[in-house]
Amino acid sequence: GQQVQQSPASLVLQEGENAELQCNFSTSLNSMQWFYQRPEGSLVSLFYNPSGTKQSGRLTSTTVIKERRSSLHISSSQITDSGTYLCAMEPGTGYQNFYFGKGTSLTVIP
Amino acid sequence: EAAVTQSPRNKVAVTGGKVTLSCNQTNNHNNMYWYRQDTGHGLRLIHYSYGAGSTEKGDIPDGYKASRPSQENFSLILELATPSQTSVYFCASGADWGGAIYTGQLYFGEGSKLTVL
Repeated sequence: GQQVQQSPASLVLQEGENAELQCNFSTSLNSMQWFYQRPEGSLVSLFYNPSGTKQSGRLTSTTVIKERRSSLHISSSQITDSGTYLCAMEPGTGYQNFYFGKGTSLTVIP
Repeated sequence: EAAVTQSPRNKVAVTGGKVTLSCNQTNNHNNMYWYRQDTGHGLRLIHYSYGAGSTEKGDIPDGYKASRPSQENFSLILELATPSQTSVYFCASGADWGGAIYTGQLYFGEGSKLTVL
């Protein structure tokens, strides 16, 4: 199956610190997405980012397809950023199916 | 705002019983998916569909059936539930590549927690 590796597995930040989350893919990809999973379990799409850099507020996603990697940068972290961040890749086999990493669990403390 | 609704949100079933998880989307998306999420495994694809009447096997289809009777509805069926199917199940929808409403994004429901005793 498709291999999606996320690092780190968990991260604890003090409020105001920055974070860099990584996602690496073992196969070629057509596109990828970043999701945020709230502590109660619901999933929210953060970025659909097939290539290049996208920014939304304090979040920046950078995908380099030929290097099979993507990163999510969180600046000036807030307590409400706590939760799990998931990346997912679409391998471009002709079907729009996404394969997920196991996630990075982020805890932001005061 | 894209909307995907799952029911039931919580379900307790007995081993050997039949369970049906339902999903409804109002996004007019052709593609719908069922994933399960387990600690240590992340989200894994069970079944997916490209439109009414179609169902396809994902990575872990054993023990599951799917049904797509209409554009809006996609069900996951466990004919003979087992304790190993205790999990949180997510339904998602997405538009076709290059279609008029394509954004590349997947939209998820709130999840259905299933416990099989």
